[in-house]
Amino acid sequence: DQQVKQNSPSLSVQEGRISILNCDYTNSMFDYFLWYKKYPAEGPTFLISISSIKDKNEDGRFTVFLNKSAKHLSLHIVPSQPGDSAVYFCAAVRTYKYIFGTGTRLKVLA
Amino acid sequence: GAGVSQTPSNKVTEKGKYVELRCDPISGHTALYWYRQSLGQGPEFLIYFQGTGAADDSGLPNDRFFAVRPEGSVSTLKIQRTERGDSAVYLCASSFSQGDNEQYFGPGTRLTVT
Repeated sequence: DQQVKQNSPSLSVQEGRISILNCDYTNSMFDYFLWYKKYPAEGPTFLISISSIKDKNEDGRFTVFLNKSAKHLSLHIVPSQPGDSAVYFCAAVRTYKYIFGTGTRLKVLA
Repeated sequence: GAGVSQTPSNKVTEKGKYVELRCDPISGHTALYWYRQSLGQGPEFLIYFQGTGAADDSGLPNDRFFAVRPEGSVSTLKIQRTERGDSAVYLCASSFSQGDNEQYFGPGTRLTVT
């Protein structure tokens, strides 16, 4: 039973355009949500988070939107840069426990 | 400052052998977590330490897996009688406290059981 789903395994975007990564969850009891970025042979690094009581959080080029009624969150990266090419994981959090999605591989084309 | 470090970075072992994986958290972080990431999957929670005690070990797949953190800093994940299905990347993360939003991950140990 997968509580957090990322249905797009990969995404290619032209440099300078917007990247939109999506994530769906099934449990309404999560406290907050996060996005992590992972490069090969490195551990995931924190990108941005959003509390379950908010619907938007913005940090520079990165914005996360939360739609609680749809149990859906998305990460927008604008403008996309080649250095953004990585695997992106969304995670849902209940107290200390992170539940990760399967990841989306983003490739930003120069 | 130093991040979370994990040793070894790669470990190849034969089926049935015992392995130990080490995690050095960020200094001052009281919370420590172990995850396992199989190919094509996201990290899956194994165990959480608050200080020296395992506060939640509900993610350990069976009793062949055990983890310790005797002094509240370094942690060791121990796997007995390894099986080929144990092959994965084992990630360690730490955070300043349980309520800290952000967990900082190490680079992982890639375990291959032949």
